[in-house]
Amino acid sequence: AQTVTQSQPEMSVQEAETVTLSCTYDTSENNYYLFWYKQPPSRQMILVIRQEAYKQQNATENRFSVNFQKAAKSFSLKISDSQLGDTAMYFCAFMKHEGGFQKLVFGTGTRLLVSP
Amino acid sequence: DGGITQSPKYLFRKEGQNVTLSCEQNLNHDAMYWYRQDPGQGLRLIYYSQIVNDFQKGDIAEGYSVSREKKESFPLTVTSAQKNPTAFYLCASSTYRTSGRADTQYFGPGTRLTVL
Repeated sequence: AQTVTQSQPEMSVQEAETVTLSCTYDTSENNYYLFWYKQPPSRQMILVIRQEAYKQQNATENRFSVNFQKAAKSFSLKISDSQLGDTAMYFCAFMKHEGGFQKLVFGTGTRLLVSP
Repeated sequence: DGGITQSPKYLFRKEGQNVTLSCEQNLNHDAMYWYRQDPGQGLRLIYYSQIVNDFQKGDIAEGYSVSREKKESFPLTVTSAQKNPTAFYLCASSTYRTSGRADTQYFGPGTRLTVL
């Protein structure tokens, strides 16, 4: 079974600083996809970034980037120049094809607080 | 504006009652999903549908039912058989391809269900 582990229940960072959220996963598959979703206080899940496992290059979206280490099964999220609006729960998720269905497996989340 | 809407935002149910949560999308997505979110846990899949008039059980389908009569709509009924229905419910949708490429799931704003 695929599992996703986020070992940091809470983290805090000051505005304009950089923070890294960790995520590890367990799978025997070779082709899969990884995602980071953000859930602000409004509770809507918002896609932050995605990574295809067959791509060695780390994905980047503006201030958000990932460090994807396939052999170590690690997928950390780096937020640069943190902003107050980055305060949210962040969920790491693993997707695989299972019998024609694309299944998302989520970690338990990391609560990030950005302070002035 | 294209997006996913869920209604109501808050729902209160008495024990023994069935309630139906609405999910509508105008993104022309084939696939739709229902997730449940409990405090301290990630999202867990209840049901999913890849095409109209077809749906499949997810990991925690007991006590829930769905229908998919229209592409745009995927209502979830929480029945009296669900022992602990108080939770936050999220609907998502995505394109559906069998090519092996991942289809990113986009989420609605959620419904908070409380059993009185």
